Amino acid sequence: GAGVSQSPSNKVTEKGKDVELRCDPISGHTALYWYRQSLGQGLEFLIYFQGNSAPDKSGLPSDRFSAERTGGSVSTLTIQRTQQEDSAVYLCASSTGLAGDGDTQYFGPGTRLTVL
Amino acid sequence: AQSVTQLGSHVSVSEGALVLLRCNYSSSVPPYLFWYVQYPNQGLQLLLKYTSAATLVKGINGFEAEFKKSETSFHLTKPSAHMSDAAEYFCAVSDRRGGYNKLIFGAGTRLAVHP
Repeated sequence: GAGVSQSPSNKVTEKGKDVELRCDPISGHTALYWYRQSLGQGLEFLIYFQGNSAPDKSGLPSDRFSAERTGGSVSTLTIQRTQQEDSAVYLCASSTGLAGDGDTQYFGPGTRLTVL
Repeated sequence: AQSVTQLGSHVSVSEGALVLLRCNYSSSVPPYLFWYVQYPNQGLQLLLKYTSAATLVKGINGFEAEFKKSETSFHLTKPSAHMSDAAEYFCAVSDRRGGYNKLIFGAGTRLAVHP
């Protein structure tokens, strides 16, 4: 079946603009994660959704970052007033959310964000 | 807190040679451990995972890893490298304290395979 999809694949924006990044998880997956991959920081957890709620937002780097998930499916990560240090690849992953057996996360191809 | 250390940011092997990518972890609870591979401009693909069953875990593409609690290691191996194995490899430990698998990644190891 279809995997995790993300859009856009690439986004170039000017400093100070807002951006929205979209993630479509695998159908039926209740858990959704956002990670950021940057040269300086490696792969970092940003936020976790179970259904439409986000019990763990501990990785969001500042209040300029927010995310929502609607209908237990699509998620949007919004970055307001972008800064150059926000430049990174933003990866989304989904999983069944079932406890045990490692609950494998399936990753999308990512959105490469460049802030000029 | 959980953490992962991958020794060697770059590893280069000859085609047909043994691949060994090192991963050591720190975890306050029995860990779930993962190896992911990332090809250029692609997302992460799961190679294998350890979830407290057999300590020798076999994954896709001929890779395997052995969980050694005494050494807090989870090294990835493949007996014979292929050109198509050239990619970046990430070891991760799951922080399961919240009842979900928040992944903590190592810095990654870029594997080069030369003829």
